[in-house]
Amino acid sequence: EDQVTQSPEALRLQEGESSSLNCSYTVSGLRGLFWYRQDPGKGPEFLFTLYSAGEEKEKERLKATLTKKESFLHITAPKPEDSATYLCAVQVSRGSNYKLTFGKGTLLTVNP
Amino acid sequence: ETGVTQSPTHLIKTRGQQVTLRCSSQSGHNTVSWYQQALGQGPQFIFQYYREEENGRGNFPPRFSGLQFPNYSSELNVNALELDDSALYLCASSLGPGPLHFGNGTRLTVT
Repeated sequence: EDQVTQSPEALRLQEGESSSLNCSYTVSGLRGLFWYRQDPGKGPEFLFTLYSAGEEKEKERLKATLTKKESFLHITAPKPEDSATYLCAVQVSRGSNYKLTFGKGTLLTVNP
Repeated sequence: ETGVTQSPTHLIKTRGQQVTLRCSSQSGHNTVSWYQQALGQGPQFIFQYYREEENGRGNFPPRFSGLQFPNYSSELNVNALELDDSALYLCASSLGPGPLHFGNGTRLTVT
């Protein structure tokens, strides 16, 4: 069974204090790994897709990296508006559907 | 470009009742999926529709059913509601295996 584990469950940072979120996964046949941001009462907002080990993607203060067992979401000099729940999900290449298996998320709070 | 829209935003039902949730896909997307998100959890896959056919289902009982229409909009129907069905129901659309784009969900409360 596909498994996705995110850590930590919650992270509190001061504005400007860089850190990383971890997503470890156990799947057979990874097609892609996805990062989403979710604000309270909203649906997940797509951030990145990573397809192969060694791949990196960047967007503003966020950088996502991928190895064969885990992905990291690095947050550089975060601002209060980066506060949200960050979700990691995997998509596997077997079968004809494109379902995502999500972790439970990391709740990030950035204090001014 | 119009994103994924869901209706209603909130709904309160009584145990044993039936509910229908609606979703309009993002323009150009041909695949729609539904997810259930309990409080403090990640979204759980319910099922996916492509060309009006269900082509994948998660670990949900048959009382969860759906439809996809020719314009790629979709419905999620839940019969015989149970208290544990209380959750945020998310619709997502995509073009094939590309990134899923989510709506803001329907918050269902079963009392």
